[in-house]
Amino acid sequence: QQPVQSPQAVILREGEDAVINCSSSKALYSVHWYRQKHGEAPVFLMILLKGGEQKGHEKISASFNEKKQQSSLYLTASQLSYSGTYFCGTNDNFNKFYFGSGTKLNVKP
Amino acid sequence: DGGITQSPKYLFRKEGQNVTLSCEQNLNHDAMYWYRQDPGQGLRLIYYSQIVNDFQKGDIAEGYSVSREKKESFPLTVTSAQKNPTAFYLCASSIAFPGQLMIFGSGTRLTVV
Repeated sequence: QQPVQSPQAVILREGEDAVINCSSSKALYSVHWYRQKHGEAPVFLMILLKGGEQKGHEKISASFNEKKQQSSLYLTASQLSYSGTYFCGTNDNFNKFYFGSGTKLNVKP
Repeated sequence: DGGITQSPKYLFRKEGQNVTLSCEQNLNHDAMYWYRQDPGQGLRLIYYSQIVNDFQKGDIAEGYSVSREKKESFPLTVTSAQKNPTAFYLCASSIAFPGQLMIFGSGTRLTVV
């Protein structure tokens, strides 16, 4: 079942923060986060496997809630290079993997 | 350098023709995938393969075919039965199935003329 991402789009000024959410009605086995620049392939950011887990990658971090039904991606002090579309990917106990519909992030000077 | 190579980058097809998109990986990954992406849309799974000589339909397999005769290769054929094939096609691979840390190729943009 495809996870639900929100918001669909975000416009930020450089230095502002953003949060992107990824939710499922079922407990998830894992959550992956990817970023795609226009016309390019998605690039892997991070994977979360455990309920309550938090991970960071420079100023980009993510959390996975205790019930393993929601993950959030945090972008702190955004830079122009953060612009792109962010996708979460999830798989449930039936070993099916789905991508969310994406969140388009536009960071302006 | 290890990675996934997709070719060609741009492909134009006349209506009624079959075309084959190439995907080669040298990462020694067992699992490979084909996704379709339409403008402003997410990624929809066409076919996936967990192991050589085995593949499964994804959510939008109609009008497409694949083969997995070698571990490193997973070509996708877009047949004339696919009524709306213009899209961006992405190939990906992962160490195991499902979806463990996917590495994507740079994509093929197919246009029907």
